[in-house]
Amino acid sequence: ETGVTQSPTHLIKTRGQQVTLRCSSQSGHNTVSWYQQALGQGPQFIFQYYREEENGRGNFPPRFSGLQFPNYSSELNVNALELDDSALYLCASSLDVANYGYTFGSGTRLTVV
Amino acid sequence: RKEVEQDPGPFNVPEGATVAFNCTYSNSASQSFFWYRQDCRKEPKLLMSVYSSGNEDGRFTAQLNRASQYISLLIRDSKLSDSATYLCVALTGGFKTIFGAGTRLFVKA
Repeated sequence: ETGVTQSPTHLIKTRGQQVTLRCSSQSGHNTVSWYQQALGQGPQFIFQYYREEENGRGNFPPRFSGLQFPNYSSELNVNALELDDSALYLCASSLDVANYGYTFGSGTRLTVV
Repeated sequence: RKEVEQDPGPFNVPEGATVAFNCTYSNSASQSFFWYRQDCRKEPKLLMSVYSSGNEDGRFTAQLNRASQYISLLIRDSKLSDSATYLCVALTGGFKTIFGAGTRLFVKA
């Protein structure tokens, strides 16, 4: 059984650029959530995808968008990057939207300069 | 006011000590609760779910009090390997997972 994998592990971008982060969910998991974790803080919920549809969203602006594919893998896209977008981005999958507890990937560390 | 609040910590305890983590949540409609553990520069890992009846897993005991909107985690006989940040989590609206800021634990020999 493979866990949740994210790519890339590290990324440096310039303010104003766009970035795409990728996530492969754990085998058998149809629900994927994305989080932003700043240093010293808990993960902040960005949005959740269930069976290719956005199922809910946290307090993030529209320049944060996502996709889920038929194999349940997912992408997080961030447009017009700002310095404050520098953070660890975590993807987590669960067996179903009912949430039996999430399995997290090791994250993508994004630095915006 | 944050939706999920935890003791700011850090907690510094000797091996063998009992340590308690406290957490409160503001949304009374929150349905499910969890404790996660996060090691330095690693991803969070599910420690245990939290039920109103209380649940235990070895040295770990979690408790939920819906009337007080309070969640707790007790670690007995602390080990060096328990050193980590402990995150309290509330699930709201069926999809929105709210994490607390976490409480850092240092267990010393």
